[in-house]
Amino acid sequence: SQQGEEDPQALSIQEGENATMNCSYKTSINNLQWYRQNSGRGLVHLILIRSNEREKHSGRLRVTLDTSKKSSSLLITASRAADTASYFCATDAPTNAGKSTFGDGTTLTVKP
Amino acid sequence: NAGVTQTPKFQVLKTGQSMTLQCAQDMNHNSMYWYRQDPGMGLRLIYYSASEGTTDKGEVPNGYNVSRLNKREFSLRLESAAPSQTSVYFCASSEAGVRDRFNEKLFFGSGTQLSVL
Repeated sequence: SQQGEEDPQALSIQEGENATMNCSYKTSINNLQWYRQNSGRGLVHLILIRSNEREKHSGRLRVTLDTSKKSSSLLITASRAADTASYFCATDAPTNAGKSTFGDGTTLTVKP
Repeated sequence: NAGVTQTPKFQVLKTGQSMTLQCAQDMNHNSMYWYRQDPGMGLRLIYYSASEGTTDKGEVPNGYNVSRLNKREFSLRLESAAPSQTSVYFCASSEAGVRDRFNEKLFFGSGTQLSVL
């Protein structure tokens, strides 16, 4: 069964707006990662947040983690058309060490 | 620096045929993985290998076999293809080894689109 579930399934915004997508998971984790997948391509790692961290930044990306709610959010600020892609969260759990488990993803469309 | 290379990119099989998907990485990574991605879904782990000579089942191993030929190469074999195996297959690698408790970052190949008729 999938560990992570992203919400919403699809998101459409205008260029320049912020995009927020969420990930919920079921069991305790070691870390949570976000990946981007452009159409027809492999996944590309964006950012990793460890279970003892609450927030991380990387360029226009901000990731938060709330372990009490078992949820994470990815914020993309000032979005660009090139941000159009699917975004996946992946979790590494102590009970499943070394095997990242992916959610079903959020498809983001940024209109120019 | 090619990263993770998968071959072939596309393949069409008839039910019952066999084939091997090839994967190689040039980053000296310890762990390698095979995932499948069905339309509109995330990735599901088929098999993984934490080091040369070791392999372990993932979430959906039935109908597949793997070989960790050496540190660079990890192949996935379908012995008797079924329509349910129609999917996009991704190979990935990471630095994490047998002693590591969790992954840091996965590097993915560009995928193999497989159709089984």
